[in-house]
Amino acid sequence: GQNIDQPTEMTATEGAIVQINCTYQTSGFNGLFWYQQHAGEAPTFLSYNVLDGLEEKGRFSSFLSRSKGYSYLLLKELQMKDSASYLCAVVDSNYQLIWGAGTKLIIKP
Amino acid sequence: IAGITQAPTSQILAAGRRMTLRCTQDMRHNAMYWYRQDLGLGLRLIHYSNTAGTTGKGEVPDGYSVSRANTDDFPLTLASAVPSQTSVYFCASRPGQGSDTQYFGPGTRLTVL
Repeated sequence: GQNIDQPTEMTATEGAIVQINCTYQTSGFNGLFWYQQHAGEAPTFLSYNVLDGLEEKGRFSSFLSRSKGYSYLLLKELQMKDSASYLCAVVDSNYQLIWGAGTKLIIKP
Repeated sequence: IAGITQAPTSQILAAGRRMTLRCTQDMRHNAMYWYRQDLGLGLRLIHYSNTAGTTGKGEVPDGYSVSRANTDDFPLTLASAVPSQTSVYFCASRPGQGSDTQYFGPGTRLTVL
């Protein structure tokens, strides 16, 4: 079966750094997405990785290791507006997105 | 540019009633998707369409049907609603069928009593 694991919830302090992990077991791999979803809103695109390594985009970075079936999203200089759920999704061999259940990130002042 | 619109925003429905959720995109994307999102379960694919005139079943298709008569519209129909179909429904689209980014509509919150 296909499986994506993320922590259910994480708490961090404003101004700090947090790393949200995602591990996956899927039938094939054609890339990995991270989306952000604020409560009551639609998911919005954050990043896409298809090759191993770190992709940096402002305060957010995403890392991929295909051999380990592992990715993380790194958020720096946390702001209160970063309180949201972060969804990991893998593109499988049929080019369908397989979604993790999401990680709820709580930012405290 | 509207992107993807969904209607209604929310709906309370009696069990056994028929309901159609509407989804329209103006980005000329080929592929469109319907997901449901339930607490603790993440997004689950109901049906998809890779191009106008074709549809396919996702992970949880039972009790739902779709049609794709043109590029822009992808309605989702519940023939006879049941309480387990209470959920938030998201429509999404992407340009092609590969690893293109999916873009989401604002969602429809459906409650079946």
